[in-house]
Amino acid sequence: GENVEQHPSTLSVQEGDSAVIKCTYSDSASNYFPWYKQELGKRPQLIIDIRSNVGEKKDQRIAVTLNKTAKHFSLHITETQPEDSAVYFCAWNSGYSTLTFGKGTMLLVSP
Amino acid sequence: GAVVSQHPSWVICKSGTSVKIECRSLDFQATTMFWYRQFPKQSLMLMATSNEGSKATYEQGVEKDKFLINHASLTLSTLTVTSAHPEDSSFYICSARDRFYGEQYFGPGTRLTVT
Repeated sequence: GENVEQHPSTLSVQEGDSAVIKCTYSDSASNYFPWYKQELGKRPQLIIDIRSNVGEKKDQRIAVTLNKTAKHFSLHITETQPEDSAVYFCAWNSGYSTLTFGKGTMLLVSP
Repeated sequence: GAVVSQHPSWVICKSGTSVKIECRSLDFQATTMFWYRQFPKQSLMLMATSNEGSKATYEQGVEKDKFLINHASLTLSTLTVTSAHPEDSSFYICSARDRFYGEQYFGPGTRLTVT
């Protein structure tokens, strides 16, 4: 399948700081970009998604930006809290096909 | 929000036996469901795509005769691990895609241990 590069693989921040995770995809036909949060031993939870007809979407402390020209999209978390600590996966969907997932970013928020 | 259930949540079986895992979308219809496998500290690896009323599509390297998938209705897909071996021990997660809106939601996962 197509590749999704996700960076960084680990990210440590202090409580209150912002965190940014970036993903780069390769298929220009992709049009749906969700982000999932997975806590240890639990299911991935959809936290925000964006479709290719918009460049940014925000939901409280979480935002996603999409740059279709450069083929990358980013997750932004502001005012991080310890409960934000988890593994975050980006994904993309081309047309109506399957999701391909990035390798994940382990976010650690220290109090 | 959309809810996907998965049963059982964990199972221990002996080598050579078969295990069936169920995935249900509880409050939405899913013409497409997906089965993933996840090893510790790794990403989700797609095993197969399950389409209601038709044969599943398997990813390269996944044995279709070993991992049997049935998607008999718009709300239920099953994965049967046949003749399980210790190397099949893993966390299996299903997901279901809302047929109208396209979002994909995950089940809670099944931890399979083969002894």
